[in-house]
Amino acid sequence: KQEVTQIPAALSVPEGENLVLNCSFTDSAIYNLQWFRQDPGKGLTSLLLIQSSQREQTSGRLNASLDKSSGRSTLYIAASQPGDSATYLCAVKVGGSSNTGKLIFGQGTTLQVKP
Amino acid sequence: DTGVSQNPRHKITKRGQNVTFRCDPISEHNRLYWYRQTLGQGPEFLTYFQNEAQLEKSRLLSDRFSAERPKGSFSTLEIQRTEQGDSAMYLCASSLMRRGDFTDTQYFGPGTRLTVL
Repeated sequence: KQEVTQIPAALSVPEGENLVLNCSFTDSAIYNLQWFRQDPGKGLTSLLLIQSSQREQTSGRLNASLDKSSGRSTLYIAASQPGDSATYLCAVKVGGSSNTGKLIFGQGTTLQVKP
Repeated sequence: DTGVSQNPRHKITKRGQNVTFRCDPISEHNRLYWYRQTLGQGPEFLTYFQNEAQLEKSRLLSDRFSAERPKGSFSTLEIQRTEQGDSAMYLCASSLMRRGDFTDTQYFGPGTRLTVL
């Protein structure tokens, strides 16, 4: 059974710091891995998607890496800003019994960037 | 592309009542997913549709839950005889899956927050 774990559960940093969020998964048989941002009480915004054949993806100040063999992904945020404060969720896409393509999520890392 | 929409955004109900949520996916998307998210947790898969066919249901989906996607367009999720443990955010996502390609991206709606008193 696929399990996704995110460490740390919460993180508080001063503005301007570079930071890394960690995600690990137990089964390397994934189609892709996706990082989402969720603001309090809101839906999910996709940040980056890494296909299983890829090693990393970049968007602006965000860089996500994927090491499928070790079951790990990291989300690197450069020069953090107060507007980055949110919960960051990692999810892996799995096939399932009927090739569902469902996402298995971690519990999230809640980030606070202090001005 | 107007994105995935969900209605209502918030629902407060009393224990024992029935509730129904609606999800309108991105128009050409053939797959539609329902997830449930409780406070402090990541979303958990409930069920999904390929066009109008419901192809998988999670064990989380008790007999009180039913989902439909008539004509492969919008979907509804109904909860009968609600319980306090049903209080959660219900998220809908849609994607366009091409034959044999499982790399489709799921786009999420804003969610419906259910509170059962």
